[in-house]
Amino acid sequence: EAGVAQSPRYKIIEKRQSVAFWCNPISGHATLYWYQQILGQGPKLLIQFQNNGVVDDSQLPKDRFSAERLKGVDSTLKIQPAKLEDSAVYLCASSVGTTFGSPLHFGNGTRLTVT
Amino acid sequence: DQQVKQNSPSLSVQEGRISILNCDYTNSMFDYFLWYKKYPAEGPTFLISISSIKDKNEDGRFTVFLNKSAKHLSLHIVPSQPGDSAVYFCAASNAGKSTFGDGTTLTVKP
Repeated sequence: EAGVAQSPRYKIIEKRQSVAFWCNPISGHATLYWYQQILGQGPKLLIQFQNNGVVDDSQLPKDRFSAERLKGVDSTLKIQPAKLEDSAVYLCASSVGTTFGSPLHFGNGTRLTVT
Repeated sequence: DQQVKQNSPSLSVQEGRISILNCDYTNSMFDYFLWYKKYPAEGPTFLISISSIKDKNEDGRFTVFLNKSAKHLSLHIVPSQPGDSAVYFCAASNAGKSTFGDGTTLTVKP
């Protein structure tokens, strides 16, 4: 099966600019996640979707971050305006469901550098 | 407050020996624990998991042990191979929401 696709792989922007990331999950996976991974740390959950509804966005900085999942498939994550501390790898993951410890399938991420 | 901790940032072992990676957690509500492996410039990939009602799960060279009373789990790799060199993340899951540790970098020397 095709894996989780993410684009772009790399992005460099100046602070206060905006940026958007795209994710296409594994076909049939109902649950989609966006994680932020700062260098030297583990992935931190930003938002979790079940189909096209938000399950958990408690850690999403909603004053600058937004995310949507259209038709329960693809998803975009946007940052506007970006800050220096947003420099990180943004990982998209999908899973079959949320029961019985369904493992996450990750994309290769987008490395964002804010200067 | 970090709910999942991997206290060893790095581990180096000789090829053929055992690698033991450790993880501690604080939240008793976690119902599954998972280990992921990550190579540079790639996303993490799932390795092995264990339910909170079990104390051991084995898959080939990989075994995960869970000690609920101590809120501790460990991943054993036997025998270790150079291709196992990677960052290993411990994750704890509750209702589909996974919380990750900061990872342990394993280096297996030939």
